[in-house]
Order: sequence, then C-alpha cells, then structure tokens
Amino acid sequence: QVQLVESGGGLVKPGGSLRLSCAASGFGFSDYYMSWIRQAPGKGLEWVSYIGSFGSSVDYADSVKGRFTISRDNAKKSMYLQMNSLRAEDTAVYYCARGRYSSYWGQGTLVTVSS
Amino acid sequence: EIVLMQSPGTLSLSPGERATLSCRASQSISSSDFAWHQQKPGQAPRLLIYDTSSRATGIPDRFSGSGSGTDFTLTISRLEPEDFAVYYCQQYDGSPFTFGQGTRLEIK
Repeated sequence: QVQLVESGGGLVKPGGSLRLSCAASGFGFSDYYMSWIRQAPGKGLEWVSYIGSFGSSVDYADSVKGRFTISRDNAKKSMYLQMNSLRAEDTAVYYCARGRYSSYWGQGTLVTVSS
Repeated sequence: EIVLMQSPGTLSLSPGERATLSCRASQSISSSDFAWHQQKPGQAPRLLIYDTSSRATGIPDRFSGSGSGTDFTLTISRLEPEDFAVYYCQQYDGSPFTFGQGTRLEIK
C-alpha cells in the first residue's frame, strides 16, 4: 500500500536551517508530482511547494520562496525540503503528499522555530 | 494566486442530515482541477474528491462533488458519526496550488 513517511523535523532557532525528508513506498514514485503542505498549530492547510516527476518543474508559495528548496531522488524514492532562514511563522506540521491533488498524505513532521 | 473562500465556517448538523459545503474561487478555474480533503483531529488530511467530482479510493458514495468556474460544492447525502470533521477545498489548476480556510462540520 502507499506509504509516505516524513522525518527531519525538530526545534530550531530563528535563522536556522532544517532538511525534511519524505520516504515513499508502495507506488511508482517517479510517476508522480510530489508536494509539501504545512499546517501551523490550530490553523488550516497551506501549500508550500511541489516538484515534478523528474525534478524539472518546481514551484513555491510566496511565503517560502527564496528560503526553501524542494528536491527529489527517484532512485531512493525520496523527496526533500531544505529550509533555510527559518522564522517563527514557519512553525508547523509539514506533510508530504503525492500528486498535484494530494491523493495520499504522510503523517507529518513537526517543525518548531523558537529561541 | 487563486484564493479559495469556504462557507460556512462552521456547520452544525445531526447524523442522518444532508450537508452542503461551498467553496468559491477568486478567479475561474478553467479545468476541473479541484479537490476536497477531510481532516479529523490529530490525523493527517485524507483526499475525498478530485477533479471536481471523482471520489478517491475507498470513499463512500454519500460523498459527492460538483461545480465549475468559481463555485464548487461538496455534498454529504446522509451524515454518519464519522463524518464530523474539518473539510478543505483545494485547487491545483494554477500554481501556487491553494487551499480554502476550512469548514468545520460539527454535531448539533
């Protein structure tokens, strides 16, 4: 069955960096766009970024553009989100999801930006 | 950026009743690239509807989606106790992909 497992979250100081990973299994990873979506505590869903099947197509929400970088390794069936210059408002659960319409979601990883 | 506004913010209904949730886009969505997701407390969201009206795998037929242009609707024909949750609409017609702010469906 389809599984998406995020890792790499944690507590980081403002201005710091983190790298999130999403390990996929149970489907042809290289056949699908992949997305990162986040949810701040008690808030709604915010789309963060997507990456095309072979990494040539990427886009970002304005709120993270220039600070976050999405990438993927199809051989490892994994997707990544490099997050730099983190701010308090980046505090959220980060979900990876399959496809443009998020047909499957991981369980999420919590990122807390605080001094 | 396409902004999605969901209404109502909270919907209070009883099991067995019909629920109608709305989502209005700030500009026309030219294709059918529209989805609905359900989220229960402490859980990741789950896809219900994609391409405006197609049910995702394993979703009961009491859930249906419709709409076009700027107005989209999720209908739950007869509410079951497990349907009380938060529902989000999403467009993936134009980047950035965006979500609505959510509708909380609560037991009356």
